[in-house]
Amino acid sequence: AQSVAQPEDQVNVAEGNPLTVKCTYSVSGNPYLFWYVQYPNRGLQFLLKYITGDNLVKGSYGFEAEFNKSQTSFHLKKPSALVSDSALYFCAVENRGYQKVTFGTGTKLQVIP
Amino acid sequence: SQTIHQWPATLVQPVGSPLSLECTVEGTSNPNLYWYRQAAGRGLQLLFYSVGIGQISSEVPQNLSASRPQDRQFILSSKKLLLSDSGFYLCAWSGRIGNYEQYFGPGTRLTVT
Repeated sequence: AQSVAQPEDQVNVAEGNPLTVKCTYSVSGNPYLFWYVQYPNRGLQFLLKYITGDNLVKGSYGFEAEFNKSQTSFHLKKPSALVSDSALYFCAVENRGYQKVTFGTGTKLQVIP
Repeated sequence: SQTIHQWPATLVQPVGSPLSLECTVEGTSNPNLYWYRQAAGRGLQLLFYSVGIGQISSEVPQNLSASRPQDRQFILSSKKLLLSDSGFYLCAWSGRIGNYEQYFGPGTRLTVT
């Protein structure tokens, strides 16, 4: 079985400050890890992924995430938040090769002007 | 480039009526296809996924069914809708080789009255 936990229902951050959205995972094998963003009444948009290699991955819109195998975490980060970053963020995990992805419950990011 | 279409965008149906939601993908061949339901703007529930024509895996026993009559067409159906079927339905695709992330359609907002 595989699972994803996003422990924060909502994260508030001031514009210009760094942001972190937390994600931990559980999978029996080696994971593929993903971050997606969803704006109201829209489908999810892919931000970034960890497949293999460098633990720090960079994605769209200045976001990055660090894969930490020992802590089974994949936190999403951005050095300077924008008001336009306000949205719902989903972490997801796939047990390598099984082609079935499990999504977290989502974290609402609110960037305050 | 690849695009994914879903229709209709919104739908209001009475309890007990049938349902048919359609999803098509352009610009790629032999994709993996997925149906998700999102309730109350939060977590995604995987309903069905397909790795090929006529190959459907069901994740949750319920009154919904899915079919894949063509390589890039995925249909979600019900013979009799329940109130609990209300939600935001999302179709997604992923590639077989190289890109592991999923790409989502714009979604269908279903309200069962």
